[in-house]
Formats: sequence, structure tokens, C-alpha cells
Amino acid sequence: AQSVAQPEDQVNVAEGNPLTVKCTYSVSGNPYLFWYVQYPNRGLQFLLKYITGDNLVKGSYGFEAEFNKSQTSFHLKKPSALVSDSALYFCAVRDTGANNLFFGTGTRLTVIP
Amino acid sequence: DAGVTQSPTHLIKTRGQQVTLRCSPKSGHDTVSWYQQALGQGPQFIFQYYEEEERQRGNFPDRFSGHQFPNYSSELNVNALLLGDSALYLCASSLRRGRNTIYFGEGSWLTVV
Repeated sequence: AQSVAQPEDQVNVAEGNPLTVKCTYSVSGNPYLFWYVQYPNRGLQFLLKYITGDNLVKGSYGFEAEFNKSQTSFHLKKPSALVSDSALYFCAVRDTGANNLFFGTGTRLTVIP
Repeated sequence: DAGVTQSPTHLIKTRGQQVTLRCSPKSGHDTVSWYQQALGQGPQFIFQYYEEEERQRGNFPDRFSGHQFPNYSSELNVNALLLGDSALYLCASSLRRGRNTIYFGEGSWLTVV
């Protein structure tokens, strides 16, 4: 069975500092991993995905994520945080052999001016 | 290129009533999935439609049903509404084949009173 864990409910970071939002996963086969962002009262916006290939995946709005197979992690990162990055971030894993996603519980990122 | 569109944006229903939510997938996509996001939680997979048939289903009761039309648009129906059905309902679209990105709409906010 697939599952995703986001160990931090809340992450606070100062504007201009690097940010990391953590995600660990459990899958029975090859992992297909995704990050989505949700702004208040909005739907989910796709940021990036890992399917195969390079462990460092680059996505939208300057975000990137590092896939680590040995640690079963897929942490979201950004070198310099913006106040506008403040939102709810979800890590998700795609069900093996299917096309639906299992989501983590989300991490609320607050970037402090 | 229109993304995933959903209607209505907000609605309020009374316990025991029935509701229908609608979704048009992103242009070129043939697969539609529905997710329920309760307040403070990550999205939970309800079911997926492809070629006008339900292909996968999450852990939701039969009160939740759906339909996909020949133009790939979809409806989510919920019967005998309960207070606990209050949530953001998200529609997602993708291509059935390949390692494709799943895109989400803005969602429909359902409040059951």
C-alpha cells in the first residue's frame, strides 16, 4: 500500500532564507512522487513531479525537490523564500498501476517578511 | 488552453438532500478523478472515470456516485447528505496512459447544514 508522511504541520522561514518542506513515502513499486501547493480557498496547483531520472527535480516558481531512494524521501526546497510562497503544501504518491494519488496531510508554510 | 473547470464554486445543502457537482477536464485529457478534502486534511480519492466507466474507487460509500460523458466531462453525485460530507470537492484530470501529471480544478465547496 502507498502512503505519504509530512512530519511538519507548520514551517516558518524568513523571507530570503532557504526553505525545506519534508516528505517521506512508502510504496510497493517504483515511486511516482508529486508536490502540489494550495493557496487559501483555492484548488491544488502542480509544482513538480519525480518519475525517473535525475534525483533533483526542478519545478514551478523556483521550487525543486530531491528524491532520495535510500531514505524514501522527497523533500521540497527553494533557495530563497518569498512572502508569496506562504501556502499549504502537499506531497503525494501515485498509486502503482493506477492513476490516483495518495496525499500527505499537508504542511503550512509561512514566510515571514 | 482552459484548465480543469468545476461548478458550482460554493453551495449549501440540507442533510438528506442530494447534490450534483460538475467538472470539465483539461483539454486533451480523457480521465477524470474526484477527491474530497475535509477541512485541515489532505485530499482523499473518491473514484476515477475513464471511457465513461468507473475504473477505480476509494473508500467511500455508495452514496457517492458519478458519471462521465462522451466529451470526458464528469459529474459527482452525493445522495442522502450528511453533515460530515461538508468539504471541498476537487476534480482532477489526466491522460490515462503514460506517466502524466494530474491537474486539479479550483474545487466546489459543499456545506451541509
